[in-house]
Amino acid sequence: QKEVEQDPGPLSVPEGAIVSLNCTYSNSAFQYFMWYRQYSRKGPELLMYTYSSGNKEDGRFTAQVDKSSKYISLFIRDSQPSDSATYLCAVSTNDYKLSFGAGTTVTVRA
Amino acid sequence: SAVISQKPSRDICQRGTSLTIQCQVDSQVTMMFWYRQQPGQSLTLIATANQGSEATYESGFVIDKFPISRPNLTFSTLTVSNMSPEDSSIYLCSDNGGGPYGYTFGSGTRLTVV
Repeated sequence: QKEVEQDPGPLSVPEGAIVSLNCTYSNSAFQYFMWYRQYSRKGPELLMYTYSSGNKEDGRFTAQVDKSSKYISLFIRDSQPSDSATYLCAVSTNDYKLSFGAGTTVTVRA
Repeated sequence: SAVISQKPSRDICQRGTSLTIQCQVDSQVTMMFWYRQQPGQSLTLIATANQGSEATYESGFVIDKFPISRPNLTFSTLTVSNMSPEDSSIYLCSDNGGGPYGYTFGSGTRLTVV
């Protein structure tokens, strides 16, 4: 069983739609939860991070963590063509090592 | 956050040869990490590189195949040795961002072994 499972996609949505991305993890020891965005031929860049259950909002992005069900989500509101990228969830403990989901490729159609 | 310069950005190599990938960070960082990203798969951690000590390798990765150097707090190299087509992948370095999240990644090295 992989440590982090991510809905594989790909997702294609019209501009302005809400994008919903999800991951589940298996180890309750994970304490830190992150979403990265990766454009083609670039390294991942951190979008959001959190270490507690609940919602965290940053502009059009909302990260949601439910530790009881080991489920993390990312919502993108009012999606734009510039949001077209691969989104990776990642989790870690205090050992600083990240475990990544496989990534979901999102295309926002103008 | 730190800026990481990684090179080369891509290379095509003959099987049996070695390639050294370099990462330069614009500030001092305690930990650097090396990942492999195979097509359609998640990033897999190869090893953790700390300055002044040997790298720590994850299960399935060995020093003879992926020797790592960390001569100072701003630089690290990963060598992919005795390459085979199965080593074709994207290799990425990152720092630890001063905490357990918020890491910065290099732009990656796209390696093709023929």
